[in-house]
Formats: sequence, structure tokens, C-alpha cells
Amino acid sequence: GAVVSQHPSRVICKSGTSVKIECRSLDFQATTMFWYRQFPKQSLMLMATSNEGSKATYEQGVEKDKFLINHASLTLSTLTVTSAHPEDSSFYICSAPGTGNAGNTIYFGEGSWLTVV
Amino acid sequence: ELKVEQNPLFLSMQEGKNYTIYCNYSTTSDRLYWYRQDPGKSLESLFVLLSNGAVKQEGRLMASLDTKARLSTLHITAAVHDLSATYFCAVDKTGANNLFFGTGTRLTVIP
Repeated sequence: GAVVSQHPSRVICKSGTSVKIECRSLDFQATTMFWYRQFPKQSLMLMATSNEGSKATYEQGVEKDKFLINHASLTLSTLTVTSAHPEDSSFYICSAPGTGNAGNTIYFGEGSWLTVV
Repeated sequence: ELKVEQNPLFLSMQEGKNYTIYCNYSTTSDRLYWYRQDPGKSLESLFVLLSNGAVKQEGRLMASLDTKARLSTLHITAAVHDLSATYFCAVDKTGANNLFFGTGTRLTVIP
């Protein structure tokens, strides 16, 4: 079964509105989680590192005021796309590193398809 | 700027044939990951390579890592249709579990 769960799997929102995507680690704690974006037929691009208890670290070129990240607990990170526009339509995927014996494993969520109309 | 390049980008091969996908990266790293992605889906972990000379095999797939050459390979043996997917390599640049992905190789295995 999935060890990192994302919700929703698909969401459609109107242009100008905000949408929140959740990423949960199941049965383990994640002090850091990562958010990626993937446009159709392209690779994954790291957007930001979500840090529990502190501010997220954004990659160059990613607008922190547009993509709000909150790491509310050791098992939950959320990505909020604010004032969404059609060009934000994409596949958003989160990841979390495993712990203990799974320390070299990076678990990915099922992904969330965002369509902005 | 870290670059992770794969080749080929597209690969069409017949069932039963062998082929190798190459992943070159531009920075020092001791962690290299391989993932499979089916259309519309997230990533499936295939291999984690943690040291120079590491070789791992699972079924018809075998991955290797040469950290000195900054090169990883994913070798496909006797391909079958079920292997059709997009394959990504990814580099852990800083050891902090944030991955930088290659361009991807879209593999189509023709019956």
C-alpha cells in the first residue's frame, strides 16, 4: 500500500481561485517533504522543500507567494496554489524520505492533477 | 547548475531485444535513483544506487553506477511489452533527499 498519500488526486478549479493539495506520510514521520511539478510529457521539476516547523525552501524561479507550503505536522505537508491560472495546470507530486531501514528510500505520493479553467 | 541527461529520449524496441538507457549527470553525487512512470501515474521506485560500482538487478532490468564518470545505466534484457513506460533517473545532489530528475526515456516495446 501507499506510504505517502496525496489528496485530491484530481481537482478542477476556476482561474483566480486557490486550491490546496495535501501530502501525508503514512505510518512514519517526515520532517521534510518535497514538492514536484510535472507538465505533460516532461520531466519532474523540484519546486520546494517543505520543512516541519520552519519555512519552506523554494527552488530558483518558483514563486513562494504563489505556491504556499505549510508543513503542519510531522505527517502532513500542504501545497496551496494561490490565484491559479491555466498555466498552473499540471501534475503535482510530493515525496518523503523513508526512515530507519528505509532511510535510503524516497517515497512518492500518487500525484495530484490540477486543471485550472 | 545541475544537469541530468538521459539518452535516448525515445526508444522503440522489439520484444526479446536488449538495450541500455544512459544517465549522465554534471555534479558529484553518490546517490542515483531509477524510477518508472506509467501514463497518468506517479513514480514507481526501481533502484537506489548508493556507491561507485553499485549494480542492482530486478527481473529484466539491471542498473549500474559509475560515480567517477558520473554515469548510470539501466539495461533491459529480453524486453517484454509490460516494460513499456517512461523511465527516469534522478540524482540526490546534496544528500538531502531532494531529487533532480533526468529528461526521461519513453520506452515502447513492440510485440
